[in-house]
Amino acid sequence: DTAVSQTPKYLVTQMGNDKSIKCEQNLGHDTMYWYKQDSKKFLKIMFSYNNKELIINETVPNRFSPKSPDKAHLNLHINSLELGDSAVYFCASSQQVHPGQGVRRAKNIQYFGAGTRLSVL
Amino acid sequence: AQTVTQSQPEMSVQEAETVTLSCTYDTSESDYYLFWYKQPPSRQMILVIRQEAYKQQNATENRFSVNFQKAAKSFSLKISDSQLGDAAMYFCAYKEGEYGNKLVFGAGTILRVKS
Repeated sequence: DTAVSQTPKYLVTQMGNDKSIKCEQNLGHDTMYWYKQDSKKFLKIMFSYNNKELIINETVPNRFSPKSPDKAHLNLHINSLELGDSAVYFCASSQQVHPGQGVRRAKNIQYFGAGTRLSVL
Repeated sequence: AQTVTQSQPEMSVQEAETVTLSCTYDTSESDYYLFWYKQPPSRQMILVIRQEAYKQQNATENRFSVNFQKAAKSFSLKISDSQLGDAAMYFCAYKEGEYGNKLVFGAGTILRVKS
């Protein structure tokens, strides 16, 4: 079973359309992320959710709206697509370490999905 | 804000030889994690190796090892006995502390392996 799965793998659409990318993880993690990889391969975080609560929102246009129905799912909806939105979008998940958990947990590794290549024409 | 710099856009290595990929980072924190991720043509991001800043010992994973120089803020990846399957884009990444969330990535280094 794939640990972090994204659908679709490829998405080709016209400017102005609205589209969604879905992500699911079966690792039992409580934190999920969306990263964007641009045409120069540069990776940058967009959003992060912990237990369905938004914890990171990195200067992303409000046309992008993440939704986390439960801690195993994090979807990304994009309104009014623009040419500059063309990129590969990666979902990732990890288990958050919380203050007061005592023993230091050398984990917090982020596991990535296979990416969704979005092409806006 | 933390930054991660990979100064080598592209590297080549002969099969079975050793290659070192460079990474430097900038942070004012003392507690953080550093990672190397591999992205082959399949696009999948694969964790190669992880280093915790509070550990002085360099991490190793089979043919992969790091040279972590905390004072110099340097974190290089050494690949020994290079194989054709090592050809990929390699990303260095930084995560703040035990409770930090986001990964800050470098620009990546393309590694080509010659047979």
